[in-house]
Amino acid sequence: GAGVSQTPSNKVTEKGKYVELRCDPISGHTALYWYRQSLGQGPEFLIYFQGTGAADDSGLPNDRFFAVRPEGSVSTLKIQRTERGDSAVYLCASSLEARGGELFFGPGTRLTVL
Amino acid sequence: SQQGEEDPQALSIQEGENATMNCSYKTSINNLQWYRQNSGRGLVHLILIRSNEREKHSGRLRVTLDTSKKSSSLLITASRAADTASYFCATAGSGANNLFFGTGTRLTVIP
Repeated sequence: GAGVSQTPSNKVTEKGKYVELRCDPISGHTALYWYRQSLGQGPEFLIYFQGTGAADDSGLPNDRFFAVRPEGSVSTLKIQRTERGDSAVYLCASSLEARGGELFFGPGTRLTVL
Repeated sequence: SQQGEEDPQALSIQEGENATMNCSYKTSINNLQWYRQNSGRGLVHLILIRSNEREKHSGRLRVTLDTSKKSSSLLITASRAADTASYFCATAGSGANNLFFGTGTRLTVIP
């Protein structure tokens, strides 16, 4: 596709459940980022991949959050034992450059934990 | 943590006027970027200015960077109703791999 895509666009789940959020970056972009955004706030950095490896996961809030990118393209953000405080829009972005290049964002997945 | 802070938090102007928003950050940077977010199109990159640049233009946008004051400004000239959106600055730290976003300025352009 022409841009970054994310699925699902909306996810409603119950507290304690497990969720997976998917990101398809722009073809050829080796850098992939996950952010989350709460209402009225700026995007909060979660994790950055360069190729298949997580180059920086310092933004993951706790060990319930995990992300993978096994083939250096599609990435999945996994959240275990969801809590109401996890409710936010989860944004994925990709970049042609490593180290702070221009980011191309997907439309986001709105996660609601009831 | 979010490194940048935008000022003002909200700005309302008439169509045709200029809009200026500011960003302050805390540590040394490799570059600073501005993004726009509206409900229709999500987050879109506007402009990137490197740490060794002082000013950059793109269409109706003008960005300045003062590394001694750790601040940047975004000027939108001849604003249009379609410029209504939230504007975020994002900083790439020296040697860092990620971008940290500020809290944003909500701009409303009244037709």
